[in-house]
Amino acid sequence: EVQLVESGGGLIQPGGSLRLSCAASGFTLSNYWMHWVRQAPGKGLVWVSRMNYDGSSTAYAASVKGRFTISGDNAKNTLHLQMNSLRAEDTAVYYCARELPGGVPGLDPFDIWGQGTMVIVSS
Amino acid sequence: EIVMTQSPATLSVSPGERATLSCRASQSVSSNLAWYQQKPGQAPRLLIYGASTRATGIPARFSGSGSGTEFTLTISSLQSEDFAVYFCQQCNNWPQTFGQGTKVEIK
Repeated sequence: EVQLVESGGGLIQPGGSLRLSCAASGFTLSNYWMHWVRQAPGKGLVWVSRMNYDGSSTAYAASVKGRFTISGDNAKNTLHLQMNSLRAEDTAVYYCARELPGGVPGLDPFDIWGQGTMVIVSS
Repeated sequence: EIVMTQSPATLSVSPGERATLSCRASQSVSSNLAWYQQKPGQAPRLLIYGASTRATGIPARFSGSGSGTEFTLTISSLQSEDFAVYFCQQCNNWPQTFGQGTKVEIK
């Protein structure tokens, strides 16, 4: 079964760091573009970051650039999001998502989503 | 970045009735528009991409149309499992952006 499972969320103080993980099963992560999307409580979806097949191309939303880093561990078939200098406005459910192949790499919709991991930034 | 605006915010529909959801882009996104369904506590599920292509396993009662800046998602006969929030997403310009969602509730 094709599946993504996120972990690593939790309660963290402002200024702190967290590392989210997204374990893939049923497919090889390095064959796809992968993304992180977040959703603040009761709000809509916001794209956060993406990475290409081998990690040579990454991109970030302006709101997280310089603070978040996306990476992949091919041996463990796992995607990561390192989040530093966390702010209250980073509070959200974070989803990893697989890009649907076949169109414009980096711009295609997301066909597989994880269940999400909650990040709460609060003192 | 492209702003996606969905209307209405909430749509009250009786089971078996037709639901029509709208999504407008602040500039043309060609046909690079996707629709997602999200139920409480669940991840979004891809319904439609390329404005009108149903994703794998999506029932035929879901259809999408439009191009440029105006798009529509139609659910021909609402089933109980269709009551959810629906989001549109433009996939034409980086960064991909989402609409704020339309909640389809039971009338």
